[in-house]
Amino acid sequence: AQKITQTQPGMFVQEKEAVTLDCTYDTSDQSYGLFWYKQPSSGEMIFLIYQGSYDEQNATEGRYSLNFQKARKSANLVISASQLGDSAMYFCAMREINFNKFYFGSGTKLNVKP
Amino acid sequence: EAGVAQSPRYKIIEKRQSVAFWCNPISGHATLYWYQQILGQGPKLLIQFQNNGVVDDSQLPKDRFSAERLKGVDSTLKIQPAKLEDSAVYLCASINLRDTPRGEQFFGPGTRLTVL
Repeated sequence: AQKITQTQPGMFVQEKEAVTLDCTYDTSDQSYGLFWYKQPSSGEMIFLIYQGSYDEQNATEGRYSLNFQKARKSANLVISASQLGDSAMYFCAMREINFNKFYFGSGTKLNVKP
Repeated sequence: EAGVAQSPRYKIIEKRQSVAFWCNPISGHATLYWYQQILGQGPKLLIQFQNNGVVDDSQLPKDRFSAERLKGVDSTLKIQPAKLEDSAVYLCASINLRDTPRGEQFFGPGTRLTVL
């Protein structure tokens, strides 16, 4: 079964607008971590933001915020004020705490239009 | 602090040939991961090491893929013989829970393999 589901293969957003990238996860563990990574066309994976399963506040890192809805098992990434440099693949990932195993979604390709 | 190093960056081989990739994680990172990322897909875990021991290799095609981390530092991943479907980017990542308890992975630049 898919541990991480990203249902948006591709998204377009106008420069300076906000965009939400969806992510749902599947686990029966109580303790886990959720991550978002950015992968530009150059290929490197860049860590963006983290949310722990026990964190009550939604995580924020600059223009990135994570909309964490634990009961729905969703961890959507919100990018505010999109920039052209935000055009990239975005991956949602989950860490199983016990064995430090990570599961990645299939990614969302974001295109920011000028 | 130096990042995760990988080499080569690019490799083109013909099917049935063998190839090896090298990864040097960030100093002190005990856990090392090898991922296969096929174009347009998310990374798929091949093998996970804790120091020099294998934690998970359940998705490693062991008839053709092998990996080792003999001294618990750098690691090599080998494919022998390669198939067309092995064309992918091979990513190495490491974590150090003492320094970054969140457990975010630090990735190398990847090795892009093309099998002709």
